Amino acid sequence: GENVEQHPSTLSVQEGDSAVIKCTYSDSASNYFPWYKQELGKGPQLIIDIRSNVGEKKDQRIAVTLNKTAKHFSLHITETQPEDSAVYFCAARNFGNEKLTFGTGTRLTIIP
Amino acid sequence: GAVVSQHPSWVICKSGTSVKIECRSLDFQATTMFWYRQFPKQSLMLMATSNEGSKATYEQGVEKDKFLINHASLTLSTLTVTSAHPEDSSFYICSARKVYSNQPQHFGDGTRLSIL
Repeated sequence: GENVEQHPSTLSVQEGDSAVIKCTYSDSASNYFPWYKQELGKGPQLIIDIRSNVGEKKDQRIAVTLNKTAKHFSLHITETQPEDSAVYFCAARNFGNEKLTFGTGTRLTIIP
Repeated sequence: GAVVSQHPSWVICKSGTSVKIECRSLDFQATTMFWYRQFPKQSLMLMATSNEGSKATYEQGVEKDKFLINHASLTLSTLTVTSAHPEDSSFYICSARKVYSNQPQHFGDGTRLSIL
């Protein structure tokens, strides 16, 4: 089955700087890669996703890049703000499979 | 946007009782709902996949008699933790996907279950 690795497990960034979180996946059939943000005591919230037919997607301060050959994808957050502090999870899913496989999570702390 | 509502958000009960958690898709129809369990500072662990009108598919190691799942309509799935014990204490989260679409999974806000 699919295996998703996520790094780093914790990340502290000065407010205004950029944060990058990286994930690798094992199943070459995976074609959908969402990123979720989870705040304390809440469920995960989808922040951005990318499908395998594109290499990059951007939504304001958030971007995701995908390298299918290397089987890795990354989340980029620019101009970080204190409200970006949360746990971020990457995930992968392949066509025809309903299940998402999640990474282990990254606790992002933005230092004011 | 797609909204998934989960109820209750927090429950404390005595060991041996059964607890029911509801998951509703508020503004879309969901053929498939998922139930996850999350321990502190860990990732989400899929417990089961629930399809409307059919039996749930449980992940390996999840006791189907302990965690009863019902998905009676396109907007409601329930998870019942039967004869709950302290080791069942956890954060339970549901998610749902829209019918016949390529839409992503949307998650509820979770239920914190504490068994005394």
